[in-house]
Amino acid sequence: AQSVTQLGSHVSVSEGALVLLRCNYSSSVPPYLFWYVQYPNQGLQLLLKYISAATLVKGINGFEAEFKKSETSFHLTKPSAHMSDAAEYFCAVSDPGYSTLTFGKGTMLLVSP
Amino acid sequence: EAGVTQSPTHLIKTRGQQATLRCSPISGHTSVYWYQQALGLGLQFLLWYDEGEERNRGNFPPRFSGRQFPNYSSELNVNALELEDSALYLCASSLEGSNTGELFFGEGSRLTVL
Repeated sequence: AQSVTQLGSHVSVSEGALVLLRCNYSSSVPPYLFWYVQYPNQGLQLLLKYISAATLVKGINGFEAEFKKSETSFHLTKPSAHMSDAAEYFCAVSDPGYSTLTFGKGTMLLVSP
Repeated sequence: EAGVTQSPTHLIKTRGQQATLRCSPISGHTSVYWYQQALGLGLQFLLWYDEGEERNRGNFPPRFSGRQFPNYSSELNVNALELEDSALYLCASSLEGSNTGELFFGEGSRLTVL
Protein backbone atom coordinates (compact mmCIF):
# COMPACT_ATOMS: atom_id res chain seq x y z
CA ALA A 1 0.00 0.00 0.00
CA GLN A 2 1.19 3.48 -0.75
CA SER A 3 1.55 6.29 1.78
CA VAL A 4 2.60 9.92 1.90
CA THR A 5 4.41 11.86 4.59
CA GLN A 6 4.47 15.63 4.56
CA LEU A 7 7.09 17.06 6.89
CA GLY A 8 5.76 20.02 8.84
CA SER A 9 2.10 20.77 9.35
CA HIS A 10 2.90 24.49 9.10
CA VAL A 11 5.60 26.34 7.15
CA SER A 12 6.13 30.09 7.51
CA VAL A 13 8.01 32.21 4.98
CA SER A 14 8.37 35.89 4.23
CA GLU A 15 7.06 37.35 1.01
CA GLY A 16 9.77 36.94 -1.65
CA ALA A 17 11.48 34.05 0.12
CA LEU A 18 11.94 30.52 -1.20
CA VAL A 19 9.09 28.12 -0.57
CA LEU A 20 9.98 24.48 0.13
CA LEU A 21 7.29 21.99 1.11
CA ARG A 22 8.49 18.45 1.71
CA CYS A 23 6.80 15.24 0.62
CA ASN A 24 8.08 11.68 0.94
CA TYR A 25 6.16 8.71 -0.37
CA SER A 26 6.10 4.98 -0.02
CA SER A 27 5.08 2.83 -2.92
CA SER A 28 5.87 -0.69 -4.06
CA VAL A 29 5.91 0.35 -7.70
CA PRO A 30 6.94 3.53 -9.54
CA PRO A 31 4.27 5.97 -8.42
CA TYR A 32 2.25 8.77 -9.87
CA LEU A 33 2.65 11.88 -7.70
CA PHE A 34 0.55 15.01 -7.30
CA TRP A 35 0.48 18.30 -5.44
CA TYR A 36 -2.87 19.94 -4.72
CA VAL A 37 -3.61 23.32 -3.11
CA GLN A 38 -6.61 24.23 -0.98
CA TYR A 39 -7.45 27.88 -0.44
CA PRO A 40 -9.70 28.78 2.51
CA ASN A 41 -13.28 27.57 2.13
CA GLN A 42 -12.56 26.04 -1.26
CA GLY A 43 -12.01 22.59 -2.71
CA LEU A 44 -8.65 21.27 -3.87
CA GLN A 45 -6.99 22.41 -7.08
CA LEU A 46 -4.25 20.53 -8.92
CA LEU A 47 -0.89 22.33 -8.89
CA LEU A 48 1.18 19.76 -10.77
CA LYS A 49 1.61 16.05 -11.37
CA TYR A 50 4.38 13.56 -12.12
CA ILE A 51 3.32 10.64 -14.28
CA SER A 52 6.56 9.61 -15.97
CA ALA A 53 9.55 10.88 -17.96
CA ALA A 54 10.82 14.32 -16.87
CA THR A 55 11.62 14.33 -13.17
CA LEU A 56 11.29 18.10 -12.82
CA VAL A 57 7.65 19.06 -13.15
CA LYS A 58 6.41 22.60 -13.56
CA GLY A 59 2.97 23.59 -12.38
CA ILE A 60 0.74 26.60 -12.09
CA ASN A 61 1.54 29.82 -10.21
CA GLY A 62 5.31 29.32 -10.51
CA PHE A 63 5.49 26.10 -8.48
CA GLU A 64 7.61 23.12 -9.44
CA ALA A 65 8.51 19.77 -7.95
CA GLU A 66 11.28 17.26 -8.52
CA PHE A 67 10.78 13.51 -8.38
CA LYS A 68 13.78 11.84 -6.72
CA LYS A 69 13.41 8.08 -6.78
CA SER A 70 16.52 7.44 -4.68
CA GLU A 71 15.14 9.65 -1.91
CA THR A 72 11.47 8.70 -2.47
CA SER A 73 10.72 12.41 -2.41
CA PHE A 74 8.61 14.88 -4.37
CA HIS A 75 9.27 18.24 -2.73
CA LEU A 76 7.40 21.34 -3.89
CA THR A 77 9.28 24.60 -4.43
CA LYS A 78 8.69 28.15 -5.55
CA PRO A 79 11.56 30.65 -5.84
CA SER A 80 9.69 33.65 -4.46
CA ALA A 81 6.62 33.46 -2.21
CA HIS A 82 3.65 35.73 -2.74
CA MET A 83 0.98 36.59 -0.22
CA SER A 84 -1.57 34.85 -2.42
CA ASP A 85 0.30 31.55 -1.98
CA ALA A 86 -0.96 31.25 1.59
CA ALA A 87 -3.01 28.05 1.57
CA GLU A 88 -2.87 24.39 2.52
CA TYR A 89 -0.88 22.11 0.25
CA PHE A 90 -1.42 18.38 -0.14
CA CYS A 91 0.89 15.82 -1.66
CA ALA A 92 -0.77 12.69 -3.09
CA VAL A 93 0.41 9.37 -4.51
CA SER A 94 -1.16 6.71 -6.65
CA ASP A 95 0.10 3.37 -7.85
CA PRO A 96 -0.41 3.06 -11.60
CA GLY A 97 -3.47 0.94 -12.20
CA TYR A 98 -4.85 1.59 -8.72
CA SER A 99 -7.24 4.43 -9.33
CA THR A 100 -7.33 6.05 -5.92
CA LEU A 101 -5.19 8.88 -4.63
CA THR A 102 -3.66 8.67 -1.16
CA PHE A 103 -3.13 12.12 0.33
CA GLY A 104 -0.72 13.38 2.94
CA LYS A 105 -2.02 15.29 5.95
CA GLY A 106 -1.26 18.63 4.39
CA THR A 107 1.08 21.55 5.05
CA MET A 108 -0.29 25.00 5.79
CA LEU A 109 1.86 27.67 4.13
CA LEU A 110 1.86 31.02 5.92
CA VAL A 111 3.30 34.04 4.10
CA SER A 112 4.17 37.18 6.03
CA PRO A 113 4.83 40.62 4.53
CA GLU B 1 -18.46 25.03 -17.80
CA ALA B 2 -19.85 24.26 -14.38
CA GLY B 3 -17.49 22.66 -11.90
CA VAL B 4 -18.24 19.95 -9.37
CA THR B 5 -21.18 21.03 -7.24
CA GLN B 6 -22.02 19.74 -3.79
CA SER B 7 -25.04 20.20 -1.58
CA PRO B 8 -25.77 21.11 1.07
CA THR B 9 -22.92 23.45 1.93
CA HIS B 10 -23.49 22.96 5.63
CA LEU B 11 -25.45 20.33 7.52
CA ILE B 12 -26.03 20.01 11.25
CA LYS B 13 -27.24 16.71 12.68
CA THR B 14 -27.38 15.02 16.05
CA ARG B 15 -25.86 11.70 17.04
CA GLY B 16 -27.73 8.71 15.67
CA GLN B 17 -29.32 10.58 12.79
CA GLN B 18 -28.64 10.03 9.10
CA ALA B 19 -26.99 12.48 6.70
CA THR B 20 -27.23 12.58 2.92
CA LEU B 21 -24.77 14.55 0.84
CA ARG B 22 -25.04 15.10 -2.88
CA CYS B 23 -22.55 15.68 -5.68
CA SER B 24 -22.86 16.58 -9.35
CA PRO B 25 -19.71 15.94 -11.39
CA ILE B 26 -18.42 18.02 -14.25
CA SER B 27 -20.36 17.29 -17.43
CA GLY B 28 -18.79 14.34 -19.22
CA HIS B 29 -17.02 12.97 -16.15
CA THR B 30 -18.04 9.45 -15.23
CA SER B 31 -15.97 8.89 -12.08
CA VAL B 32 -16.94 10.33 -8.71
CA TYR B 33 -14.82 10.14 -5.57
CA TRP B 34 -15.71 10.94 -1.97
CA TYR B 35 -13.16 12.02 0.61
CA GLN B 36 -13.50 12.91 4.28
CA GLN B 37 -11.39 15.82 5.54
CA ALA B 38 -11.44 15.80 9.31
CA LEU B 39 -9.43 18.27 11.36
CA GLY B 40 -5.82 17.17 11.59
CA LEU B 41 -6.33 13.98 9.60
CA GLY B 42 -5.92 15.19 6.03
CA LEU B 43 -8.03 13.67 3.29
CA GLN B 44 -9.24 10.12 3.82
CA PHE B 45 -10.56 8.22 0.81
CA LEU B 46 -14.13 7.03 1.25
CA LEU B 47 -15.62 5.77 -2.02
CA TRP B 48 -15.08 5.69 -5.77
CA TYR B 49 -17.89 5.26 -8.27
CA ASP B 50 -17.57 4.86 -12.01
CA GLU B 51 -20.32 4.15 -14.53
CA GLY B 52 -22.77 3.54 -11.70
CA GLU B 53 -20.65 0.91 -9.97
CA GLU B 54 -18.71 1.11 -6.71
CA ARG B 55 -15.07 0.53 -7.77
CA ASN B 56 -13.23 0.97 -4.52
CA ARG B 57 -13.88 1.70 -0.87
CA GLY B 58 -11.70 3.16 1.85
CA ASN B 59 -11.30 1.96 5.41
CA PHE B 60 -14.64 3.20 6.72
CA PRO B 61 -17.46 1.30 8.44
CA PRO B 62 -20.51 0.10 6.44
CA ARG B 63 -22.65 2.94 7.78
CA PHE B 64 -20.87 5.06 5.17
CA SER B 65 -22.48 4.20 1.85
CA GLY B 66 -23.38 5.81 -1.41
CA ARG B 67 -24.49 5.38 -4.93
CA GLN B 68 -24.09 6.84 -8.38
CA PHE B 69 -27.06 7.63 -10.54
CA PRO B 70 -27.42 7.19 -14.34
CA ASN B 71 -26.61 10.87 -14.85
CA TYR B 72 -23.33 10.23 -12.91
CA SER B 73 -24.33 12.36 -9.93
CA SER B 74 -23.69 10.74 -6.60
CA GLU B 75 -25.01 10.56 -3.09
CA LEU B 76 -23.13 9.81 0.14
CA ASN B 77 -25.14 8.50 3.06
CA VAL B 78 -23.89 8.34 6.61
CA ASN B 79 -26.09 6.39 9.01
CA ALA B 80 -26.05 6.33 12.80
CA LEU B 81 -24.00 9.52 12.97
CA GLU B 82 -21.23 9.76 15.53
CA LEU B 83 -19.50 12.89 16.82
CA GLU B 84 -16.29 11.97 14.99
CA ASP B 85 -18.12 12.05 11.67
CA SER B 86 -17.97 15.83 11.86
CA ALA B 87 -15.83 16.82 8.89
CA LEU B 88 -15.71 18.41 5.48
CA TYR B 89 -16.82 15.89 2.86
CA LEU B 90 -15.27 16.51 -0.52
CA CYS B 91 -16.49 15.14 -3.80
CA ALA B 92 -14.28 14.97 -6.86
CA SER B 93 -14.80 13.88 -10.43
CA SER B 94 -12.59 12.80 -13.29
CA LEU B 95 -12.78 11.56 -16.85
CA GLU B 96 -10.79 8.44 -16.11
CA GLY B 97 -9.12 6.75 -13.21
CA SER B 98 -7.48 9.30 -10.97
CA ASN B 99 -4.05 7.73 -11.24
CA THR B 100 -3.55 9.18 -14.69
CA GLY B 101 -5.89 12.13 -14.72
CA GLU B 102 -6.65 15.16 -12.67
CA LEU B 103 -9.25 15.14 -9.91
CA PHE B 104 -11.62 18.11 -9.92
CA PHE B 105 -12.93 18.88 -6.46
CA GLY B 106 -16.08 20.55 -5.27
CA GLU B 107 -16.05 22.98 -2.36
CA GLY B 108 -17.34 20.37 0.04
CA SER B 109 -20.19 19.80 2.43
CA ARG B 110 -19.44 20.54 6.07
CA LEU B 111 -21.19 18.09 8.36
CA THR B 112 -21.44 18.92 12.04
CA VAL B 113 -22.68 16.24 14.42
CA LEU B 114 -23.85 17.43 17.83
